[in-house]
Amino acid sequence: GAVVSQHPSWVICKSGTSVKIECRSLDFQATTMFWYRQFPKQSLMLMATSNEGSKATYEQGVEKDKFLINHASLTLSTLTVTSAHPEDSSFYICSASRVLGTSGSGPQETQYFGPGTRLLVL
Amino acid sequence: GNSVTQMEGPVTLSEEAFLTINCTYTATGYPSLFWYVQYPGEGLQLLLKATKADDKGSNKGFEATYRKETTSFHLEKGSVQVSDSAVYFCALSDRYTGNQFYFGTGTSLTVIP
Repeated sequence: GAVVSQHPSWVICKSGTSVKIECRSLDFQATTMFWYRQFPKQSLMLMATSNEGSKATYEQGVEKDKFLINHASLTLSTLTVTSAHPEDSSFYICSASRVLGTSGSGPQETQYFGPGTRLLVL
Repeated sequence: GNSVTQMEGPVTLSEEAFLTINCTYTATGYPSLFWYVQYPGEGLQLLLKATKADDKGSNKGFEATYRKETTSFHLEKGSVQVSDSAVYFCALSDRYTGNQFYFGTGTSLTVIP
């Protein structure tokens, strides 16, 4: 089946540094990728939608200058947490949208989730 | 708008007990419905899905039926195992909103021997 990878899986950094997280679709091309954030014992919160070759669309309340998203190719999207602070510590998950085919109701897409990246800012 | 409400946990069951985790949704269009499972320390894994009303998704002994009349997608399993201990998320995706996923808050399940 389709695989989405994230790198790194774990990162610990000092406050004030920037951290880049990569999301790759390994065996399919993804025109759209999504970035989520999950706080402990809570649900996933959509941060932004990343479209290849264009600017990301951020959800309300998410600082676009804080969380830089680049979707440079059809298989790679990156999330950079700039000047990270302890409150940015979280579990970041990406997903990639794959078109499986078309039906009478239009393109049939499904989402594949990455394994997540756990960020700890000291 | 779109939203998902699922039963709060945590849920603790004995092995071989019957499991139900309730999930209801609101949607502006015709969503697809999903159950995802997250094992400790791991990412989300698709457990099952249903793309239209009356569809039944099933996998690994888990089942859920897309009920449009009650806007529900309850997860059930007849006999749980210790290995089923995880957090379960109900979610919907609506192509009219760019296939964005809306997740419930998650239900933690612990199965004891």
